[in-house]
Amino acid sequence: QSALTQPASVSGSPGQSITISCTGTSSDVGGYKYVSWYQQHPGKAPKLMIYEVTNRPSGVSNRFSGSKSGNTASLTISGLQAEDEADYYCSSYTSSSTRVFGGGTKLTVL
Amino acid sequence: EVQLVESGGGLVQPGGSLRLSCAASGFTFSNYWMSWVRQAPGKGLEWVANIKEDGSEKYYVDSVKGRFTISRDNAKNSLYLQMNSLRAEDTALYYCARGLYSNSLWGQGTLVIVSS
Repeated sequence: QSALTQPASVSGSPGQSITISCTGTSSDVGGYKYVSWYQQHPGKAPKLMIYEVTNRPSGVSNRFSGSKSGNTASLTISGLQAEDEADYYCSSYTSSSTRVFGGGTKLTVL
Repeated sequence: EVQLVESGGGLVQPGGSLRLSCAASGFTFSNYWMSWVRQAPGKGLEWVANIKEDGSEKYYVDSVKGRFTISRDNAKNSLYLQMNSLRAEDTALYYCARGLYSNSLWGQGTLVIVSS
């Protein structure tokens, strides 16, 4: 049950696009379509941004998109805005019927 | 309003016990898997446990197996986490969350501090 691997930090200027990677194994990310992404602002509860690799919940901006290739999933945020500055976490279902999160990525909007 | 509200956190000595509760409202609680997720101070999210709609299946992260027990009472729309043999490394904000493969609804969390 090792944590998924995410970059510790990414940054971008308003209007730009950024991508956050999330690397696991064939027992989690690579083996299932159940990868999800969460946004967390300081002092707040996490918010679901992407589920089942590519799906956006109702109310989430279409600037957020997800994808997966092999054992690596990615979250792309296009048209960066100041309010996107937050921590982002990926998560995957695993072959042990458990879940695992990534270590988190701090997004800074320059 | 659709919401989850956790309670039961507090300061406990190492080796002690604590029972967390999560009250669900605004949705049909018995239709959903439920999860506990924790976050140590300044750290990332860690999945802790989940439980099937009818309580017949339960899964745990290795670090809490044998010490924590997840349960639910669908008649009371409530989720629980019984935590025994607590360790300093269990210190965290504990979130109740709805869902199995992803968590679409989260509470605000209840803080557990394990310290002498």
